Amino acid sequence: NAGVTQTPKFQVLKTGQSMTLQCAQDMNHEYMSWYRQDPGMGLRLIHYSVGAGITDQGEVPNGYNVSRSTTEDFPLRLLSAAPSQTSVYFCASSYSNPGQGFSPLHFGNGTRLTVT
Amino acid sequence: QKEVEQDPGPLSVPEGAIVSLNCTYSNSAFQYFMWYRQYSRKGPELLMYTYSSGNKEDGRFTAQVDKSSKYISLFIRDSQPSDSATYLCAMTQQIMDTGRRALTFGSGTRLQVQP
Repeated sequence: NAGVTQTPKFQVLKTGQSMTLQCAQDMNHEYMSWYRQDPGMGLRLIHYSVGAGITDQGEVPNGYNVSRSTTEDFPLRLLSAAPSQTSVYFCASSYSNPGQGFSPLHFGNGTRLTVT
Repeated sequence: QKEVEQDPGPLSVPEGAIVSLNCTYSNSAFQYFMWYRQYSRKGPELLMYTYSSGNKEDGRFTAQVDKSSKYISLFIRDSQPSDSATYLCAMTQQIMDTGRRALTFGSGTRLQVQP
């Protein structure tokens, strides 16, 4: 049982490049989400999904796309990287939507992205 | 003003000390209160959660919620160097019609326990 797996661990991009951050979970969780973590800002929700084929925007969605074709995978795409997207990105999953009661989030170990 | 405020620290204490970590919040609709622990270069992991007001104890850890003051605390007794991490508070409402603000996190307090 690997939990939530994120790849790559580190990435350096030039401004304007695109890339996909991968996230996979093996816990059969319906809810998956992407957060970014910046100093002094805490964790901010980018996009989330409550099941395969269903996605919605979080707090800071601009510049990012997601899709959910399977229960296990939830990739995050940066369309045209900007220095403001330099951050640590975390994928998290839970049994059900944590906004509708208590459902603990399980986090991956993050992708550290630098955009120059 | 942020919905959840948390002192960023760092908080440095000697081994064996009692540690108090705190968050204040402004949304009176929050009902679930959580503490996540994040080791360096790792993802956060759930440490404890509390529903509504009151105390909850788990070994050396005690979570306390005071809804009247909109204030939550995490106490660590007999702190150990292995407790050195960033502690994030998080809270959510019981029922939401959208997941857009599923969880509201504090910015985290960095704790260092010196041997």
